[in-house]
Amino acid sequence: AQKVTQAQTEISVVEKEDVTLDCVYETRDTTYYLFWYKQPPSGELVFLIRRNSFDEQNEISGRYSWNFQKSTSSFNFTITASQVVDSAVYFCALSEGGGTASKLTFGTGTRLQVTL
Amino acid sequence: NAGVTQTPKFQVLKTGQSMTLQCAQDMNHEYMSWYRQDPGMGLRLIHYSVGAGITDQGEVPNGYNVSRSTTEDFPLRLLSAAPSQTSVYFCASSPRRSSGNTIYFGEGSWLTVV
Repeated sequence: AQKVTQAQTEISVVEKEDVTLDCVYETRDTTYYLFWYKQPPSGELVFLIRRNSFDEQNEISGRYSWNFQKSTSSFNFTITASQVVDSAVYFCALSEGGGTASKLTFGTGTRLQVTL
Repeated sequence: NAGVTQTPKFQVLKTGQSMTLQCAQDMNHEYMSWYRQDPGMGLRLIHYSVGAGITDQGEVPNGYNVSRSTTEDFPLRLLSAAPSQTSVYFCASSPRRSSGNTIYFGEGSWLTVV
């Protein structure tokens, strides 16, 4: 069975600090997809990134970056120079096979609080 | 471009009542799923469908029924609501094969069972 662990329940930082959210996953499949979602206080799920198991390149998108390491089964998410608008719950998720909606396994989420 | 539409957004039920959460997508996606979100537990898969006429159970299916008579719709039925079903429910859809942002979520339905 697949499993996603987000050990950090809650993180508090001061604006402009860098913060890394950890994600460790377990799966027996060789083909799988990893996702990060943001859930702001309004409640909707906002897609951030999808990465397949064959692409270990790190990715940077503005202040966001992701570090995928198959050797340690980790897919960590870093926010550089955090802002108050980054305050949200962040979920890491795993999908075996085609990366579809059919079978996503979510972590329990990390609540990020960014203060002035 | 509606994407995934869930109704209702908020609902209060009494224990034992039945209701249906509606989910519709206009993207001709084959795959649709229902998840529930509870505090401290992330989202968990209730039921999913890989096409019209095909459904299967997820991690937490007890107390819920689904059907998929059309590609567009995937309703979730609570036959006899229990307080343990108080949760936020998300419907999701995706195509069979795709790239990029492949999974589309509805805005969620907040259900309280008293």
